[in-house]
Amino acid sequence: QVQLVESGGGVVQPGRSLRLSCAASGFTFSNYGIHWVRQAPGKGLEWVAVVSSDGSNKYYADSVKGRFTISRDNSKNTLYLQMNSLRAEDTAVYYCARRGIAATGDSWGQGTLVTVSS
Amino acid sequence: QSALTQPASVSGSPGQSITISCTGTSSDVGGYNYVSWYQQHPGTAPKLLIYDVSNRPSGVSNRFSGSKSGNTASLTISGLQAEDEADYYCSSYTSSSTYVFGTGTKVTVL
Repeated sequence: QVQLVESGGGVVQPGRSLRLSCAASGFTFSNYGIHWVRQAPGKGLEWVAVVSSDGSNKYYADSVKGRFTISRDNSKNTLYLQMNSLRAEDTAVYYCARRGIAATGDSWGQGTLVTVSS
Repeated sequence: QSALTQPASVSGSPGQSITISCTGTSSDVGGYNYVSWYQQHPGTAPKLLIYDVSNRPSGVSNRFSGSKSGNTASLTISGLQAEDEADYYCSSYTSSSTYVFGTGTKVTVL
C-alpha cells in the first residue's frame, strides 16, 4: 500500500537550517507530484510547496518562498524540503502528501515536527 | 494566498445532516474543479474525503458528499455519527499554480 514516511524534524534555533525527507513506497514515485503541507500547533493546514513528478516544476507558498527549497530524488523514492533562515512561525508538523486523485493529496505521511526556538 | 473561509464550528445531533461551507474567489474555488475535503482527528494526518468537488475515494462513506456553486464549495455529512466529530478542511488549486487550504471547521456531535 501507499506509504509516505517523513523524517528530519527536530528543534532548531532561529536563523538556522534543517532538511526534511519523505520516503515513499508502495507506488511508482516518479509518476506523481508531491506536496509539503504544514500545521502549526493547534492551527489549520497550510500548503507549503509542490514538486512535479520529474522535479522540473516547483511552486511555493509566499510565506516560504526564497527560504525553502523542495526537491526529489526519484532514484531513491525520496522527497526533500530544505529549510533555511528558519523563523519561530515555521514551527509546525510537516506532512508530505502525494498528488494523486486529489490535487492537494490523496495519501499523507504521519508528519514530522519542526520546532524553531532559541 | 489567503486561506479559504470556513465556519469555525458546526454541530449537529446524531442522525442529522450538516453542511460546511468553503468560500474562496474566482481565482481558486470558483475557477477550477479541484476542490478537495479532508477529515482530521486529533493527532492524526488528514484523510481525503472528497476530491474534484464531488468525487469520493474508494472506501469513504457515501454519507459524505461535496458540491460547488460559484466561489463556494460545500461538504455535507448526512446521518451524523459520533465518529464524524473531527476537524474538516477544504482545499483548492489556484490560478498561480499553487494550492490553498481552508481555515478549518470543528464538527461537534451533540
